[in-house]
Amino acid sequence: DAKTTQPPSMDCAEGRAANLPCNHSTISGNEYVYWYRQIHSQGPQYIIHGLKNNETNEMASLIITEDRKSSTLILPHATLRDTAVYYCISLASGTYKYIFGTGTRLKVLA
Amino acid sequence: GAVVSQHPSRVICKSGTSVKIECRSLDFQATTMFWYRQFPKQSLMLMATSNEGSKATYEQGVEKDKFLINHASLTLSTLTVTSAHPEDSSFYICSARDPGGLTGELFFGEGSRLTVL
Repeated sequence: DAKTTQPPSMDCAEGRAANLPCNHSTISGNEYVYWYRQIHSQGPQYIIHGLKNNETNEMASLIITEDRKSSTLILPHATLRDTAVYYCISLASGTYKYIFGTGTRLKVLA
Repeated sequence: GAVVSQHPSRVICKSGTSVKIECRSLDFQATTMFWYRQFPKQSLMLMATSNEGSKATYEQGVEKDKFLINHASLTLSTLTVTSAHPEDSSFYICSARDPGGLTGELFFGEGSRLTVL
């Protein structure tokens, strides 16, 4: 599975959009990009995933570059409850062996 | 949505004793579950893949005799930390995939915090 790199931390003002980048420059054609988040002392929570096209759900939007070497998770209106560590994972279709990187610690500020 | 539950959420034990952590898929059957451990301020580290009805597959560097995994049914996997020592103190998390799910994601348990005195 491809290695992903993320900035270690980010701050975002409450109510503003939080844009969390992820590099996955060695991703292969059949690997999906998954995003999870982990609020302190809890298990990770699924947010969104995509292969090539941009995706949106009730939690977030995922923008994947055309060359698929990077992606951005967008939380459109961040709230204090969005403070968490966000993990970007690349995973081949049909496999479920997640390898977590260091993630981005997002702090939403009041 | 699919739910994975762990028990106990917190456990404190004396050095040398064994501790069992249960992971249950509450509304789906999981042939495969995964066990992770997480030290403070670090990422999740995959320990092993638990396969229903067969032996678990351990990641490199994880002692299989230390961390016993049993996946006796399609809804239950257990992790037993044998002869626990203070360095085994950690946050242990399990996950499972819902084969009938639409998005293919893994569902994670709430985690179990082990403290070995």
